[in-house]
Amino acid sequence: AQKVTQAQTEISVVEKEDVTLDCVYETRDTTYYLFWYKQPPSGELVFLIRRNSFDEQNEISGRYSWNFQKSTSSFNFTITASQVVDSAVYFCALRGAAGNKLTFGGGTRVLVKP
Amino acid sequence: DAGVIQSPRHEVTEMGQEVTLRCKPISGHNSLFWYRQTMMRGLELLIYFNNNVPIDDSGMPEDRFSAKMPNASFSTLKIQPSEPRDSAVYFCASSLGGLNPNEQFFGPGTRLTVL
Repeated sequence: AQKVTQAQTEISVVEKEDVTLDCVYETRDTTYYLFWYKQPPSGELVFLIRRNSFDEQNEISGRYSWNFQKSTSSFNFTITASQVVDSAVYFCALRGAAGNKLTFGGGTRVLVKP
Repeated sequence: DAGVIQSPRHEVTEMGQEVTLRCKPISGHNSLFWYRQTMMRGLELLIYFNNNVPIDDSGMPEDRFSAKMPNASFSTLKIQPSEPRDSAVYFCASSLGGLNPNEQFFGPGTRLTVL
C-alpha cells in the first residue's frame, strides 16, 4: 500500500519568511512519481511539480524549491521569501509504477501574514 | 485553452434525491478521475477511467455511487439516493494517461451539500 504523510497541518509565517513543508512517503515500488499541488482559498487544485524516483536532483522554480531525498523517503517543498498570495493548502501526492492512481497526503495549510 | 470543466459548481439537495455531477476533461486527455474532498478524509480517489473505460473503482464508497464516461469528452458521477454524509467537494481531473506519469489537471470542483 502507498501512503503519504504531511505531518504539519498548519504553518503560519510572516511575509518574506521562508517556509518548508515536509512530505514523507511509503511505497514498495522501485519506480514512482511524486507531485505537489497547491489549493488556494478559491478551491481549485493547481499542479506545481512532478518528480520521478530515478531523478534525485533538486529543483528550483522561482521562489519554490524541492528537496527529494530517496534515502529518507522525503520530498520537501520550500517557499522562499513567502508572500501573502502563497497562502493556501499544499498537497503532496504519490503515484506508483502501475496505474494512474494518486495518493494524497493530508495537506499543509500555509498562512502568510503581511 | 479550456481546463477541466465541472458542473454544477454548487449543488444543494435534500436527502434521498438523486444528484448528477458532470465533467468535461481537457481535450486530448485520455484519463479521467473523480475525487472527493472532505475535512475528515481529505482527498480520496473515487474512480478513474482510461480511454473511457473504468480502471479502478475501488474508492467508490457504495452502490449509491456510480460513474460513467460515455465518450472522451464527458463523464458523470451520480449519487442515488444522496445522504448528508455525501456532502463534500467533488473534483474531476484529467491527464494524458496510459503508462506516462503525467500530471493531473483538476477542475474547479462541485460543492455538494445534502440536507
